[in-house]
Amino acid sequence: GAGVSQSPSNKVTEKGKDVELRCDPISGHTALYWYRQRLGQGLEFLIYFQGNSAPDKSGLPSDRFSAERTGESVSTLTIQRTQQEDSAVYLCASGVVDEAFFGQGTRLTVV
Amino acid sequence: GENVEQHPSTLSVQEGDSAVIKCTYSDSASNYFPWYKQELGKGPQLIIDIRSNVGEKKDQRIAVTLNKTAKHFSLHITETQPEDSAVYFCAAGGSARQLTFGSGTQLTVLP
Repeated sequence: GAGVSQSPSNKVTEKGKDVELRCDPISGHTALYWYRQRLGQGLEFLIYFQGNSAPDKSGLPSDRFSAERTGESVSTLTIQRTQQEDSAVYLCASGVVDEAFFGQGTRLTVV
Repeated sequence: GENVEQHPSTLSVQEGDSAVIKCTYSDSASNYFPWYKQELGKGPQLIIDIRSNVGEKKDQRIAVTLNKTAKHFSLHITETQPEDSAVYFCAAGGSARQLTFGSGTQLTVLP
């Protein structure tokens, strides 16, 4: 079956604009994660959804970042008023309870 | 929260030799420890994982060991091949919580 799908694969935006990144998880996966990876760096946790539980938003770096998930389906990560330091690859993963299977990521470049 | 430290940050081995990457974690509640391989321009790929009720797990040339008392776990790759060259990340989590990642190890297998 299909893996985790993220779109767009690349996004270039002007500083100050809002962007929306999409993640389609593997069907049946109750857990969904968003991570940020700056060039040559590790994975920085942003937000975690697990079933109908309240999401763990403890990794969101500022109130410009938000994420939603529709049931156990699609998730969108929104970054408002983008800044140059938001440039990174945004990775989505899904799994059942503890596992995380990653998509290919969205490379965001803020110019 | 959880803190995961990973060593070394870079590792070069000759083809056919073994490679060992080590991680320590801080939260005794963590009970799930996956390892990921990330090739350039791709998302991390889950290669092996271990839960805290097991001390060792093997899958062909890859093995992971866990010492829950000391809070450390290691990845062992035997008979390394050039295609093993990549960045490897350890992580700790479990019990339907978010995964915390180590900072990564760049493994280079020299032909």
